[in-house]
Amino acid sequence: DTGVSQDPRHKITKRGQNVTFRCDPISEHNRLYWYRQTLGQGPEFLTYFQNEAQLEKSRLLSDRFSAERPKGSFSTLEIQRTEQGDSAMYLCASSGGVTLYYEQYFGPGTRLTVT
Amino acid sequence: AQRVTQPEKLLSVFKGAPVELKCNYSYSGSPELFWYVQYSRQRLQLLLRHISRESIKGFTADLNKGETSFHLKKPFAQEEDSAMYYCALKNTGFQKLVFGTGTRLLVSP
Repeated sequence: DTGVSQDPRHKITKRGQNVTFRCDPISEHNRLYWYRQTLGQGPEFLTYFQNEAQLEKSRLLSDRFSAERPKGSFSTLEIQRTEQGDSAMYLCASSGGVTLYYEQYFGPGTRLTVT
Repeated sequence: AQRVTQPEKLLSVFKGAPVELKCNYSYSGSPELFWYVQYSRQRLQLLLRHISRESIKGFTADLNKGETSFHLKKPFAQEEDSAMYYCALKNTGFQKLVFGTGTRLLVSP
């Protein structure tokens, strides 16, 4: 297990198109998170899953955004009708397993550019 | 509302100089505070957490509830410390992290 992986690493799309990103967490982790990071800002929380249940959701997550984790393993984040303001780095993180302290392990991110 | 403030976008020091990266937070409860670091072309990773009171790579951070601060310190900076540093807060009972805007540390030889 090489850590959290995300696919694709880069995505360029035209405004109005739909995009989907995938995140594979560390295998024994039951918690999975999505964040968005724009230039000059820190990561901003979008949503959180414990197993397959989506337990927290930010107001940043508009109706055009939807996230799933159908079997409690990998997760997908879909953005419908993309807008230029959606251009950002989308980060996935996972936590859980046999760890003494809470720690979120981050993936490399998917950079989305909306033209 | 929870908020994390990192007032410096860039901190530039010479090798061997002391470093202090500032972090202030606003939160009414008992937060958990973290420092995350991102080295060039690497992913974001945890540097240290206040609850464990540990020193990692020579860095320490003390939670000051009176001043609502969690500054990151190192007595003698090394060139390999050059990176982006993010302070983050977690609510007790919730899972999300609230990040500051980050401080880029540049250590020159």
